Amino acid sequence: DSGVTQTPKHLITATGQRVTLRCSPRSGDLSVYWYQQSLDQGLQFLIQYYNGEERAKGNILERFSAQQFPDLHSELNLSSLELGDSALYFCASSVRPLHETQYFGPGTRLLVL
Amino acid sequence: QKEVEQDPGPLSVPEGAIVSLNCTYSNSAFQYFMWYRQYSRKGPELLMYTYSSGNKEDGRFTAQVDKSSKYISLFIRDSQPSDSATYLCAMSAGAAGNKLTFGGGTRVLVKP
Repeated sequence: DSGVTQTPKHLITATGQRVTLRCSPRSGDLSVYWYQQSLDQGLQFLIQYYNGEERAKGNILERFSAQQFPDLHSELNLSSLELGDSALYFCASSVRPLHETQYFGPGTRLLVL
Repeated sequence: QKEVEQDPGPLSVPEGAIVSLNCTYSNSAFQYFMWYRQYSRKGPELLMYTYSSGNKEDGRFTAQVDKSSKYISLFIRDSQPSDSATYLCAMSAGAAGNKLTFGGGTRVLVKP
């Protein structure tokens, strides 16, 4: 158990809908990262937050957005969902934004029908 | 061409054998190198973390980095069936937002 928690574990929804994925980092970690893992693209970095502020952006679509709250938990919002958004979404956390070790949560499996 | 290349496998070995995994990369800015293990339907688990070139050993695991060749390796000694998983290499330039770039993963099967 990495200490990173994610909810829900599974999510089934329809195209065009909007969902919110939640992540609680390990105790003491200030930085949160979101990743998408699909069969064809592998594990892709989406976005990073540190202590409430956006630090880095990767291959995140405009339909997706995220934020980190004062209690350090983070939410990833996915809107106007398409079939291709079906994937595993992982959250990871680390102590500092320059710290190279990230600990991953168990993921949220999203299925868009 | 992907920034990080990794043979997808599967790599099948008998129990007790040495598992040899590797990744090549193209971005010379990468300075931090990691290996993760991922069991089916689980999150990646950090195994090894190295900075710059050199070797690092931790129990049955040895990580090697050759920055001149842009090549990293992971060796697993005395492999066990519980080592059967997908192994992902990951790299970061460090300062630039600390984002990791992953290889596609190698599936390893250790047969009893």
